[in-house]
Amino acid sequence: KNEVEQSPQNLTAQEGEFITINCSYSVGISALHWLQQHPGGGIVSLFMLSSGKKKHGRLIATINIQEKHSSLHITASHPRDSAVYICAAPGSGAGSYQLTFGKGTKLSVIP
Amino acid sequence: DVKVTQSSRYLVKRTGEKVFLECVQDMDHENMFWYRQDPGLGLRLIYFSYDVKMKEKGDIPEGYSVSREKKERFSLILESASTNQTSMYLCASSLWMSYTEAFFGQGTRLTVV
Repeated sequence: KNEVEQSPQNLTAQEGEFITINCSYSVGISALHWLQQHPGGGIVSLFMLSSGKKKHGRLIATINIQEKHSSLHITASHPRDSAVYICAAPGSGAGSYQLTFGKGTKLSVIP
Repeated sequence: DVKVTQSSRYLVKRTGEKVFLECVQDMDHENMFWYRQDPGLGLRLIYFSYDVKMKEKGDIPEGYSVSREKKERFSLILESASTNQTSMYLCASSLWMSYTEAFFGQGTRLTVV
């Protein structure tokens, strides 16, 4: 089973700041997921990436497969970015169906 | 747009009741999942299904069962609800294992009293 660690657990930022959330996993994978959960519960998939970098608006995700590490960056943060950000990695072999989730990073962006 | 719909946003049930949580997806996905989410523990897999009538236990299946009679519908059943099953329950679906994008329902917050 993959072990997934996220840091920091909580993050408070001023509007406009550049934000980085980190994710490390223990077992080599071919894809990593970044998810966003707003208060109220629903989870939205932000990125699924297997190498390099992906960008969507002000969000950028990077992954280093050799180092088993991924980062989620938010440029020019805004209060509407306040949410819990979760990374998730697949298992291997018989566990391939399963995603192992980090415990999440709670981001609060203050105006 | 893929849609995963859970039957209830909030539920309050009594201890010992049989509880059904329903999940429907509209994108013909093979795989469906039930998770529970608790503070400090993150998302944990209860059961998943990779095809109609097929199911596999996840990390915490005790006290739960599932049913998948049709491809689009995956039900989670609490056979006899207990207070330690008070939690947020999330359903998800994906096209192929965990290597394709996962789509989540809005969650059901279940309180067992």
